[in-house]
Amino acid sequence: EDQVTQSPEALRLQEGESSSLNCSYTVSGLRGLFWYRQDPGKGPEFLFTLYSAGEEKEKERLKATLTKKESFLHITAPKPEDSATYLCAVPADRGSTLGRLYFGRGTQLTVWP
Amino acid sequence: DVKVTQSSRYLVKRTGEKVFLECVQDMDHENMFWYRQDPGLGLRLIYFSYDVKMKEKGDIPEGYSVSREKKERFSLILESASTNQTSMYLCASSTDGTRYYEQYFGPGTRLTVT
Repeated sequence: EDQVTQSPEALRLQEGESSSLNCSYTVSGLRGLFWYRQDPGKGPEFLFTLYSAGEEKEKERLKATLTKKESFLHITAPKPEDSATYLCAVPADRGSTLGRLYFGRGTQLTVWP
Repeated sequence: DVKVTQSSRYLVKRTGEKVFLECVQDMDHENMFWYRQDPGLGLRLIYFSYDVKMKEKGDIPEGYSVSREKKERFSLILESASTNQTSMYLCASSTDGTRYYEQYFGPGTRLTVT
């Protein structure tokens, strides 16, 4: 069973068309939720950490929010350079071996001019 | 800035060969990880290490082994490469403390086994 589910799998937006990506998780006792960006053929690049429900983080056109069961990555007025795969991840449940993250399968975002 | 480097960007090997993938980080991180990434399957953890000479199995350790003799270096070994190990391999590292779970990734090695 997946610990982290991302939707949609793929999203195509016109430049300037705002939207949101979703990440839902099933681990209990959340110790953080992490968003990454991955460009084709490259390793994921860390974007945000969220630790508690209600928390928000922003970076340029991206804003990440967290509730008790899911996180959203809002993209405002996207540009073609925002095209990438966005991954979210959560730490393993307490009692599991420390340090590991469960990753979602990602949302592939394409922004066309 | 954290820098994680991997020995090769692209690698082509033959079935049955022993393959070494190397990862080096320059930020004195305690934890290091090996993942493979396949279309539709996402990132899957192979092995990780939280200290020199220590290792823990991830979700898909079969057919792989690892070595961590120095803190900055974590090697992934394919004992006898098979075609189903064709994949993108990603190394990551993280520190202890409050940023324990912030993993920093290398550029990846795309391995093809023929």
